[in-house]
Amino acid sequence: GAVVSQHPSRVICKSGTSVKIECRSLDFQATTMFWYRQFPKQSLMLMATSNEGSKATYEQGVEKDKFLINHASLTLSTLTVTSAHPEDSSFYICSARELKANTEAFFGQGTRLTVV
Amino acid sequence: GEDVEQSLFLSVREGDSSVINCTYTDSSSTYLYWYKQEPGAGLQLLTYIFSNMDMKQDQRLTVLLNKKDKHLSLRIADTQTGDSAIYFCAEALSGNTPLVFGKGTRLSVIA
Repeated sequence: GAVVSQHPSRVICKSGTSVKIECRSLDFQATTMFWYRQFPKQSLMLMATSNEGSKATYEQGVEKDKFLINHASLTLSTLTVTSAHPEDSSFYICSARELKANTEAFFGQGTRLTVV
Repeated sequence: GEDVEQSLFLSVREGDSSVINCTYTDSSSTYLYWYKQEPGAGLQLLTYIFSNMDMKQDQRLTVLLNKKDKHLSLRIADTQTGDSAIYFCAEALSGNTPLVFGKGTRLSVIA
């Protein structure tokens, strides 16, 4: 089946620094990728929709200047958490679908971000 | 708006069947999914069903969809300890729209 690779799986960073998370579709092309955030013991909340070659669409309440999304190719989307703070600590997961219709959404392994 | 509800906890004995229920509000949902999440891991797609189907069976997993009541269930036959995880129900309007997730049901399997 289709594979989505997310990297890194875990990262610890200091407050004020920036962290980049990569999401790659390994064996298919994805014009659209989604970034979710999961707080402990809670569901996944959609942060933004990443569209190849255009600006991302952010959900209400998500700061686009803080969570920079770049979707430079059909197989790669990146999420950069800028000037990270402890409250940004969370589990971030990306997902992608193939270009063709009627397919399931495949998820990356997730990235556990801890800001100290 | 879209909303997905599921019970938070379920405990079953090993060998019994588990039934995890989910309700959704958007009748336009076309795709309905079940994902499994083990501790500290990402999401694993278990199965999905299109809105024009009533049932889908895949080995130990059976998905039932009652579109009229907007109710989705996942039945795991012969539940094993390795099935202990959080199970998320999710819906999507189309192939290119994001998923809306329930809060997840934590399944505990007692040996």
